[in-house]
Amino acid sequence: RKEVEQDPGPFNVPEGATVAFNCTYSNSASQSFFWYRQDCRKEPKLLMSVYSSGNEDGRFTAQLNRASQYISLLIRDSKLSDSATYLCVSGGSYIPTFGRGTSLIVHP
Amino acid sequence: DADVTQTPRNRITKTGKRIMLECSQTKGHDRMYWYRQDPGLGLRLIYYSFDVKDINKGEISDGYSVSRQAQAKFSLSLESAIPNQTALYFCATSDLRGVEQYFGPGTRLTVT
Repeated sequence: RKEVEQDPGPFNVPEGATVAFNCTYSNSASQSFFWYRQDCRKEPKLLMSVYSSGNEDGRFTAQLNRASQYISLLIRDSKLSDSATYLCVSGGSYIPTFGRGTSLIVHP
Repeated sequence: DADVTQTPRNRITKTGKRIMLECSQTKGHDRMYWYRQDPGLGLRLIYYSFDVKDINKGEISDGYSVSRQAQAKFSLSLESAIPNQTALYFCATSDLRGVEQYFGPGTRLTVT
């Protein structure tokens, strides 16, 4: 079983929609969590960190549920430019573990 | 200029050839990493280095070797390339906290 699991999608949504991704992790000792964004054939880039108290950055909200060991990312008012793959990352033992990514396609 | 650079950006090579992928960073980070990415498999860690004297294997190190020539340079070698090493390779760096990773633009390697 992979340490970080994500639904690969694709999630196909219209502009303006709200979409949510979940990610589960198996290492209960993990202390840090992140969401990265990766555009096609490009390098991953940090989207946001995930804190126990939740984290909001504009249209993006990330949540951590330690009891159930999952992380979520909510995107409100989707834009065409949000189309990308979103990678969930667990930072246990200082070596980050990446999920396989969830593909989002936002269409007009 | 980019903080993390990789050379070459694209490479086609033949089975059995030795090839080196190079990574340089100007972020002043001690930690550097090499990943490969394959469709449907996500990013997999090949090797990582916490400083010039500390090099560790990742989950898929077989068939690869690395050299940390300086704090800013970390190279990945395929001693005898094989077709299933065809992939997109990323170098990354992070600071001591390992909180955020900064990736290079990637090297697309094809082994025929």
